Amino acid sequence: DAGVIQSPRHEVTEMGQEVTLRCKPISGHDYLFWYRQTMMRGLELLIYFNNNVPIDDSGMPEDRFSAKMPNASFSTLKIQPSEPRDSAVYFCASSDLGGELFFGEGSRLTVL
Amino acid sequence: GQQLNQSPQSMFIQEGEDVSMNCTSSSIFNTWLWYKQDPGEGPVLLIALYKAGELTSNGRLTAQFGITRKDSFLNISASIPSDVGIYFCAGQNSGSARQLTFGSGTQLTVLP
Repeated sequence: DAGVIQSPRHEVTEMGQEVTLRCKPISGHDYLFWYRQTMMRGLELLIYFNNNVPIDDSGMPEDRFSAKMPNASFSTLKIQPSEPRDSAVYFCASSDLGGELFFGEGSRLTVL
Repeated sequence: GQQLNQSPQSMFIQEGEDVSMNCTSSSIFNTWLWYKQDPGEGPVLLIALYKAGELTSNGRLTAQFGITRKDSFLNISASIPSDVGIYFCAGQNSGSARQLTFGSGTQLTVLP
């Protein structure tokens, strides 16, 4: 398996623009997680899905952030409008029930 | 919410030396995990601990799950240059489904 695949790897955008990050989990994994990593706050869980259904989105910073999982092989994290403080590395991870969490390589977002 | 205190924040050691890092929590966890993150990559699981008092090894790595369930340590013996990276502890409770709480990380630099 190719592992968790994220795109884009890097994105630079201007404040106010919409940002969409994409994730393809490992086939057969029924849990999908979005994390954000910053120097100040470390790794923070934003939201996670089980069988495509959002289970806990309490980590989503505010209404500008939204996440969807339309099917078992695809998820998006959207920021609209983006702000400089959203600059971070965003990780997607997946696992099966009781299994190890596998992380993607991350999407580094810079908002100018 | 639960918080993990990981120390030290950074370490500079000579190749061949042993390394020790630890995590403490304000509350108990049922599972402790140790991850390593290489530059530009996502975290990768090194060791998982499931029982209080458990001592587990993976090659040159040894980790222990504290008796109180509020702490864990990771030791690396005979360090080599490829040990460079950020090491994270993470705690998990079975009642909280799949959520992990991550420590702030230990940046390890191995000098030749």
